Amino acid sequence: AQSVAQPEDQVNVAEGNPLTVKCTYSVSGNPYLFWYVQYPNRGLQFLLKYITGDNLVKGSYGFEAEFNKSQTSFHLKKPSALVSDSALYFCAVRDMGQAGTALIFGKGTTLSVSS
Amino acid sequence: EAGVAQSPRYKIIEKRQSVAFWCNPISGHATLYWYQQILGQGPKLLIQFQNNGVVDDSQLPKDRFSAERLKGVDSTLKIQPAKLEDSAVYLCASSLWGDRGGYTFGSGTRLTVV
Repeated sequence: AQSVAQPEDQVNVAEGNPLTVKCTYSVSGNPYLFWYVQYPNRGLQFLLKYITGDNLVKGSYGFEAEFNKSQTSFHLKKPSALVSDSALYFCAVRDMGQAGTALIFGKGTTLSVSS
Repeated sequence: EAGVAQSPRYKIIEKRQSVAFWCNPISGHATLYWYQQILGQGPKLLIQFQNNGVVDDSQLPKDRFSAERLKGVDSTLKIQPAKLEDSAVYLCASSLWGDRGGYTFGSGTRLTVV
């Protein structure tokens, strides 16, 4: 069965500092991995995805994520955090070998960036 | 392109009442999903449609929840009767079939059951 773990409920960083939001996954086959962001009273917005190829994926708003197969991780990173990055972040996975299956989401991590 | 439309945005009902949510996906997206997001949790899949057929409804509480996608476009999710624990945001999303990309989500309907 597929699963996603986001071990931190909240991550606090100061503006201008680098940020990391952690995600580990479990699938029986090869994974499709995604990060979404949710602002208050809004739907989920796509940030980036890993399908295949380069392990470092670049996405929207300066975010990037690194796929590590041996550690089954897909951590979200940004070199310099902005106050406007404060939001709820979700990691999601789909098993590449099961075409058409739905995304499984983690429980989410609240990112708080202080000025 | 227009996004995924959902209505209503907010709904407050008493327990044991019924409620319905509506979703209009992006034009041409064959796959439609309904997710339930309880406060403090990640979205949980309720049902997945491919055109007007059900692909996965294994996590749909079928004694009280029902969903349909007539004509393979719009979809309606219904709860009857509602329980307090149904208070959540109900998210609709759509994608192309077999799409290796992500979904496009609507803004959701926030349901409060009192």
